[in-house]
Amino acid sequence: AQTVTQSQPEMSVQEAETVTLSCTYDTSESDYYLFWYKQPPSRQMILVIRQEAYKQQNATENRFSVNFQKAAKSFSLKISDSQLGDAAMYFCAYRSGWGGSEKLVFGKGTKLTVNP
Amino acid sequence: ETGVTQTPRHLVMGMTNKKSLKCEQHLGHNAMYWYKQSAKKPLELMFVYSLEERVENNSVPSRFSPECPNSSHLFLHLHTLQPEDSALYLCASSQDPTSGSIGEQFFGPGTRLTVL
Repeated sequence: AQTVTQSQPEMSVQEAETVTLSCTYDTSESDYYLFWYKQPPSRQMILVIRQEAYKQQNATENRFSVNFQKAAKSFSLKISDSQLGDAAMYFCAYRSGWGGSEKLVFGKGTKLTVNP
Repeated sequence: ETGVTQTPRHLVMGMTNKKSLKCEQHLGHNAMYWYKQSAKKPLELMFVYSLEERVENNSVPSRFSPECPNSSHLFLHLHTLQPEDSALYLCASSQDPTSGSIGEQFFGPGTRLTVL
């Protein structure tokens, strides 16, 4: 079974600085998808960024980018120019690429604090 | 309404009560999910419905009973719950990955359930 590990329960960053959140996963599959979700204190889980395993190029969405290392099974999230609104729980998630499999496996999350 | 909505946002119930949680998605998706989010635990997938048929039931106790009358609505019927069932219950939807979508899930704001 696939597992997702987020080794940093909490992280903090100064406003306007850069922070990297770690995620590793365990799978025997070669085709899969990885996601980072953000859950602010208001609780709505929001998709931040996604990565298809077959793509070598790291995904980027504005100030959010990933460092996807397939061989190392690592999928870290980098937040540049951190803003107060980035404060939230961040969850890394894995989905099998097998057709018809909808199940997402989540890590335990990292709580990010942004200091003004 | 847009996205995924859930009602009620907060619910307090006794162990002998019967209540229902409602989820509605306005995204035209054909798969819906119930998750349980407890403190200090990863999100736990409870049920998956794809094309209105239940495709996964992750060993959830029978005191939780899902219902999916159509592709836009999902209910979670609750009866004779235990205090340890107190948690945030999240609903999500996605487009069936077999249709060519990557299958990323979109979440509702959740229902905070307290069982006394």
